[in-house]
Amino acid sequence: SQKIEQNSEALNIQEGKTATLTCNYTNYSPAYLQWYRQDPGRGPVFLLLIRENEKEKRKERLKVTFDTTLKQSLFHITASQPADSATYLCARENSGNTPLVFGKGTRLSVIA
Amino acid sequence: DTEVTQTPKHLVMGMTNKKSLKCEQHMGHRAMYWYKQKAKKPPELMFVYSYEKLSINESVPSRFSPECPNSSLLNLHLHALQPEDSALYLCASSQVTDYGYTFGSGTRLTVV
Repeated sequence: SQKIEQNSEALNIQEGKTATLTCNYTNYSPAYLQWYRQDPGRGPVFLLLIRENEKEKRKERLKVTFDTTLKQSLFHITASQPADSATYLCARENSGNTPLVFGKGTRLSVIA
Repeated sequence: DTEVTQTPKHLVMGMTNKKSLKCEQHMGHRAMYWYKQKAKKPPELMFVYSYEKLSINESVPSRFSPECPNSSLLNLHLHALQPEDSALYLCASSQVTDYGYTFGSGTRLTVV
């Protein structure tokens, strides 16, 4: 079956360091991957979309990479802050009108 | 307007009640979605509307009945729910393909 996996359930990191979250996919080739942030009791917030022909995308302190050989996307937050603490969700969507399927998420805690 | 608005924010209902969840967006998005999210789990897709037509029903029980009265509104009608249906119900919208989703803040539903 087509799977999208975020293997780390939780990640603790010191303020100011770079947080790196991993998303792996198996048994298919997504046209693109998306990353969302979710705070407790709130809906997910869209952060970045990266297409299969893009190696890297950046937005302020955020960077996403897409490695089709490793079947993996990495999500980086540089100069992390306690306000970055949240659950980060990776989501896959094949080309065409197929809806998002989410990974289980990684709960990031940035410690001051 | 760049938001998806969901009402009510909280809902407690008995197993014999009939209630409705409402979702509204004015971004011109032609795809709208209902997701269900249990605690510490990722959002799970329930329904997709594309150009106001139901395009995907993820084998959701008939006690959940979606409706799309126009391109800006999405309803989810609830009837004879079970306690295990208690969850955060999220509405989202997007351009039809290749764009991030905009989620509402959700309706926290408790079935007693």
